[in-house]
Amino acid sequence: AQKITQTQPGMFVQEKEAVTLDCTYDTSDPSYGLFWYKQPSSGEMIFLIYQGSYDQQNATEGRYSLNFQKARKSANLVISASQLGDSAMYFCAMRVLTGGGNKLTFGTGTQLKVEL
Amino acid sequence: GAVVSQHPSWVICKSGTSVKIECRSLDFQATTMFWYRQFPKQSLMLMATSNEGSKATYEQGVEKDKFLINHASLTLSTLTVTSAHPEDSSFYICSARGGVGRGGGGTYEQYFGPGTRLTVT
Repeated sequence: AQKITQTQPGMFVQEKEAVTLDCTYDTSDPSYGLFWYKQPSSGEMIFLIYQGSYDQQNATEGRYSLNFQKARKSANLVISASQLGDSAMYFCAMRVLTGGGNKLTFGTGTQLKVEL
Repeated sequence: GAVVSQHPSWVICKSGTSVKIECRSLDFQATTMFWYRQFPKQSLMLMATSNEGSKATYEQGVEKDKFLINHASLTLSTLTVTSAHPEDSSFYICSARGGVGRGGGGTYEQYFGPGTRLTVT
């Protein structure tokens, strides 16, 4: 079975600062993908970044980067230069690529609040 | 990117009635659609996976007779909450995934709809 753990229920960061949202995962499957989604109060799920288990380099997408440490089974999201609009719920998710049925398993989420 | 719509965006219904929620992939063909349920301040829980033209696969603990899922075409899946009760009040989100060559980001992404907020009184 796959499991995603997000241990930070809430985080505060000051505008323009960087913030790291933690995510650890557990799977015995060697092929998997890790995702981060942002969910603002409107409820829509916004895809932020993806990391494949065989990717050699950490994924980056603009101000988002994924600190992938395979041996530690962690996939932390780093948001640089935080903006007020980054305030939202953030979910880490994993998809097992072999026999996983394409299902995403989500963590419990981290509520991020960006302050002036 | 690929766009997924849901209708309605919110619905209020009386206990005992049925509610249908539509999920459409607007610019790609979705071979697989997923239905999630999210309670306030909680994570998304997968309810079922539906593949076009076949029966949905329900997750453990999800009543298939209560949550009817139909995926009759490559662009439309519906979730019907039958005989709804107040405990069914929740945020329901669908996502869609296309196969390789069918748009939708190939093998990596599920594209999420904006969600439907159901309130049963």
